[in-house]
Amino acid sequence: AQTVTQSQPEMSVQEAETVTLSCTYDTSESDYYLFWYKQPPSRQMILVIRQEAYKQQNATENRFSVNFQKAAKSFSLKISDSQLGDAAMYFCAYFGNYGQNFVFGPGTRLSVLP
Amino acid sequence: GAVVSQHPSRVICKSGTSVKIECRSLDFQATTMFWYRQFPKQSLMLMATSNEGSKATYEQGVEKDKFLINHASLTLSTLTVTSAHPEDSSFYICSARDLGLAGSVTQYFGPGTRLLVL
Repeated sequence: AQTVTQSQPEMSVQEAETVTLSCTYDTSESDYYLFWYKQPPSRQMILVIRQEAYKQQNATENRFSVNFQKAAKSFSLKISDSQLGDAAMYFCAYFGNYGQNFVFGPGTRLSVLP
Repeated sequence: GAVVSQHPSRVICKSGTSVKIECRSLDFQATTMFWYRQFPKQSLMLMATSNEGSKATYEQGVEKDKFLINHASLTLSTLTVTSAHPEDSSFYICSARDLGLAGSVTQYFGPGTRLLVL
């Protein structure tokens, strides 16, 4: 079974600085998708970024980018120019082509310091 | 686009009563919807996968008779917590996939429902 690990339960970053959240996963599949979701205090899950495993190019969405290392099974999220509104729980998620469900990591709580 | 709503956003009920939570995809059709439970400061735990027109698939350890799921249309799935007890108090979240996006696997989440059973 696939597993997703987020080794940083909590992180903090100064406003306007850059922070990287770690995610590793375990799978025997070759085709899959990886996601980062954000859950702010409202508890609404918001899609941040998505990466298809067959794509070598790292996904980017404005201030958010990923470092996808397929061989190492690593999928880190970099947030540039951090803003107060980035403070939230961040969940890494895996979806494999042979499954129907997401596998979520335990989450990383990010605090942004003014 | 890809908005999912949930109703109610919060509910308080007495022990032994049943509570129904609705999950709707507002601007897309969803053949598959998912129900999650989230405990404080924890990740999402998948309870069941709901497919339109067929029986839901429950995860191991989830009581089918307690958590009734109905997916009657491509835009609506309901979760009914039957004979609720205080241990059922939790935050319930639904999600849906957009059928219209070819090959899409992205799940879009509702805002969640906080259930408190007294």
